[in-house]
Amino acid sequence: DQQVKQNSPSLSVQEGRISILNCDYTNSMFDYFLWYKKYPAEGPTFLISISSIKDKNEDGRFTVFLNKSAKHLSLHIVPSQPGDSAVYFCAASAHGNQFYFGTGTSLTVIP
Amino acid sequence: NAGVMQNPRHLVRRRGQEARLRCSPMKGHSHVYWYRQLPEEGLKFMVYLQKENIIDESGMPKERFSAEFPKEGPSILRIQQVVRGDSAAYFCASSPVARGLSDEQFFGPGTRLTVL
Repeated sequence: DQQVKQNSPSLSVQEGRISILNCDYTNSMFDYFLWYKKYPAEGPTFLISISSIKDKNEDGRFTVFLNKSAKHLSLHIVPSQPGDSAVYFCAASAHGNQFYFGTGTSLTVIP
Repeated sequence: NAGVMQNPRHLVRRRGQEARLRCSPMKGHSHVYWYRQLPEEGLKFMVYLQKENIIDESGMPKERFSAEFPKEGPSILRIQQVVRGDSAAYFCASSPVARGLSDEQFFGPGTRLTVL
C-alpha cells in the first residue's frame, strides 16, 4: 500500500515561473515530511523538510506547505531554474520511524 | 569529505546467484539505511542498522535478503539466489545520529542490480 502518493509523474514549467509539486499521504500518524531531489545516476539529495507542528517552511526559492486536514503537502519552487530539472520525491515518517517515499515527480524547467 | 559511497554501481547477476552490495557511510556516520527502488516506484525502506546491530528490518523480504554493518568495514546488503524481481536500484543512506533525531539521511548514488 502506497502511504505517500505523488499523482503527477511529470511536470513542465517555463524558466522563471513557479513550480508546484504535490504530495498526498494517508497515514494521519505522519509527523515529519521531507522533499528530496534526485538527478539521474545519483542518489536523492535532501531539499527541505517540515514538521507537523508547522504549516509552512521556507528556504530560499523553496517553500513547503503542509495541510494536515487534507493530508497534503506541496513544494513550491520560485523562480524555477533549468538546474531544478530533476525527480522530486516527497517522504514522510511517524515518530522518527522509517521514511515512506512517494513515487516521484519528474520536473522539467524549460529555458 | 566524501559522501556515501556504494559499490558496485552496476551489478549483473544470473538467476540463482548471490548479489553483494556495499555501502560506506559518510565519515562520522554510524547509522545506515537501505532502500530499494523498483521500476516506476518510489524508494522503499528495507533495513536500518547501526554498527553491529540491526535496528529495524521491517522492510526486508523474509527470505534471501540479509544485511550487516560490522564494526569495521562497509555495510553489506546480501541477496541470495537472486530472481528477476530483485532487479532494482538499491540505495544506501547514512545519518550521524539515530533515526528520529536527524533531519535528513544522506544518500549514496545507488547500485543498479540487473538479474538476467
